[in-house]
Amino acid sequence: KAGVTQTPRYLIKTRGQQVTLSCSPISGHRSVSWYQQTPGQGLQFLFEYFSETQRNKGNFPGRFSGRQFSNSRSEMNVSTLELGDSALYLCASSFRQEDLEAFFGQGTRLTVV
Amino acid sequence: KQEVTQIPAALSVPEGENLVLNCSFTDSAIYNLQWFRQDPGKGLTSLLLIQSSQREQTSGRLNASLDKSSGRSTLYIAASQPGDSATYLCAISGGSYIPTFGRGTSLIVHP
Repeated sequence: KAGVTQTPRYLIKTRGQQVTLSCSPISGHRSVSWYQQTPGQGLQFLFEYFSETQRNKGNFPGRFSGRQFSNSRSEMNVSTLELGDSALYLCASSFRQEDLEAFFGQGTRLTVV
Repeated sequence: KQEVTQIPAALSVPEGENLVLNCSFTDSAIYNLQWFRQDPGKGLTSLLLIQSSQREQTSGRLNASLDKSSGRSTLYIAASQPGDSATYLCAISGGSYIPTFGRGTSLIVHP
């Protein structure tokens, strides 16, 4: 079966712009979680959506937002980009977040210049 | 707040060695522990998952153990190969199901 698909794979944006990243979970999975990975902070949890509702949110500013559609696809948006937002953004899907195993996409590499 | 530490941060070994990667955590009230592999610039691949009621899991040359009382997990890699070169991450999920990740162990296996 198809894995978790993230688009685009690479993105270059200018400070102050906004960006939208997309994640298509494994078919049948209803929970999608987003993570930011940087060399300095490691992997940090952003938020988790289940059945179009945000259930958990990490410690990130309001510039980071997301949503989930009825087909479980999810998008995350970052507004007013800062240089420090440069990172690998990963999404993971599972049938439910309580499920034991999460499956990750290949990530979107965002560079802010 | 759960804190996860992985030691060593980096490891370089010749092919064929048996390896032990360590993961320690501060809160023993965990739901599960998962070991992942990450190749440079790529996503995470799940290697082994240990539920809180289990003590170990095995897959091929990999064996992971969990000792909640001491707050430790180890990932054992037998007969290492150059293809095992990657960063290995452990992640702990607690009652909120939000995983806390360690910073990883960067492994290089040279021929």
